Amino acid sequence: GAVVSQHPSWVICKSGTSVKIECRSLDFQATTMFWYRQFPKQSLMLMATSNEGSKATYEQGVEKDKFLINHASLTLSTLTVTSAHPEDSSFYICSAIRDKGDTQYFGPGTRLTVL
Amino acid sequence: AQSVTQLGSHVSVSEGALVLLRCNYSSSVPPYLFWYVQYPNQGLQLLLKYTSAATLVKGINGFEAEFKKSETSFHLTKPSAHMSDAAEYFCAVSEGAGNMLTFGGGTRLMVKP
Repeated sequence: GAVVSQHPSWVICKSGTSVKIECRSLDFQATTMFWYRQFPKQSLMLMATSNEGSKATYEQGVEKDKFLINHASLTLSTLTVTSAHPEDSSFYICSAIRDKGDTQYFGPGTRLTVL
Repeated sequence: AQSVTQLGSHVSVSEGALVLLRCNYSSSVPPYLFWYVQYPNQGLQLLLKYTSAATLVKGINGFEAEFKKSETSFHLTKPSAHMSDAAEYFCAVSEGAGNMLTFGGGTRLMVKP
């Protein structure tokens, strides 16, 4: 149990386009989902926390207008990178929890390359 | 505020040797501590977690970690390394389960035949 999936697993896009990444909890309802980004050979940095039906809480330094997060249901959260640029190229990983006392379960990640 | 420091960005051991990956934390409240493993181009898999119960925590794949409050440490060990253990390992801290995780910089474990 507690499986989290991400789609797509990798994506290549042109500079200036927008890319949507999906994060799904397959066998549980996720009250909260987290979005991280990971640059090569670096650790994970939390970008934002999203709760179903409410606005995401962004970490300091993360542009909320550039990284749009929607948590429309208890099993789906989406991250849209708007007007992507090469510096947005990174590995994006989501995680989800069932309830406040739960451990985070991580998705397999999405590698974004912006040309 | 909470933070995690992993000493040694790269650790190399021989197959069959002891694995020791170091993690020190700081937290203003009693911490929850985690070790995750990441294989190339994959997400994170939870190895084990400490949530204020037993200080010696056993996880998957033969790994274990000991919470030492006096040393603010949560080092990860495995008695005998296997080639399949080669991966990136992350230590993380949170102020309670389900809350924001703060990750250490990661340690890449290499296992030599």
